[in-house]
Amino acid sequence: KAGVTQTPRYLIKTRGQQVTLSCSPISGHRSVSWYQQTPGQGLQFLFEYFSETQRNKGNFPGRFSGRQFSNSRSEMNVSTLELGDSALYLCASSLQVTVSGANVLTFGAGSRLTVL
Amino acid sequence: AQKVTQAQTEISVVEKEDVTLDCVYETRDTTYYLFWYKQPPSGELVFLIRRNSFDEQNEISGRYSWNFQKSTSSFNFTITASQVVDSAVYFCALRSSNYQLIWGAGTKLIIKP
Repeated sequence: KAGVTQTPRYLIKTRGQQVTLSCSPISGHRSVSWYQQTPGQGLQFLFEYFSETQRNKGNFPGRFSGRQFSNSRSEMNVSTLELGDSALYLCASSLQVTVSGANVLTFGAGSRLTVL
Repeated sequence: AQKVTQAQTEISVVEKEDVTLDCVYETRDTTYYLFWYKQPPSGELVFLIRRNSFDEQNEISGRYSWNFQKSTSSFNFTITASQVVDSAVYFCALRSSNYQLIWGAGTKLIIKP
């Protein structure tokens, strides 16, 4: 069973550019969430999607956006990149969203973004 | 406010020693879930265990064991007879009413041969 696939694995951008990261969840998983990991701030929740709807959003500026497609694949976009956006962006999928929050997440290897 | 504290930034032990990773959480919710994930150098977070707030039964799985105590808001993780392959960053996380996963800062575990 294929795991969570994130592309690209590494990318370098310059300030002001925009970037799109892709995440393909495990087959059958309908929930996808995104996290930013930096040495200074640690792991921070970005957003969560289920059945093409954003269910939850973290405390990030509007430059960070995402979407989910009908096949559960998800993309996140960061516009007008800043140096502080350099991070490892992790995508995770789970079988379903439950009201109890008990979802076990399966993570991808991440997309490492460097902003120069 | 919800918060997860992993006070140990880095722990270094010699192989075969036992090691305990501490996790203290804060939440006002009565229903919540606690998780431990492991992040090896490859970067991919790997799920280890989940506990709900109503289940204080401690668990042992091979060389791993977990101690959940609501009275002290702690969810500690112990590796018995550590191995070099256990070297990784370990994260404790809390998920409650707002369904967002709140992460601790992580503890870097170094197992020396």
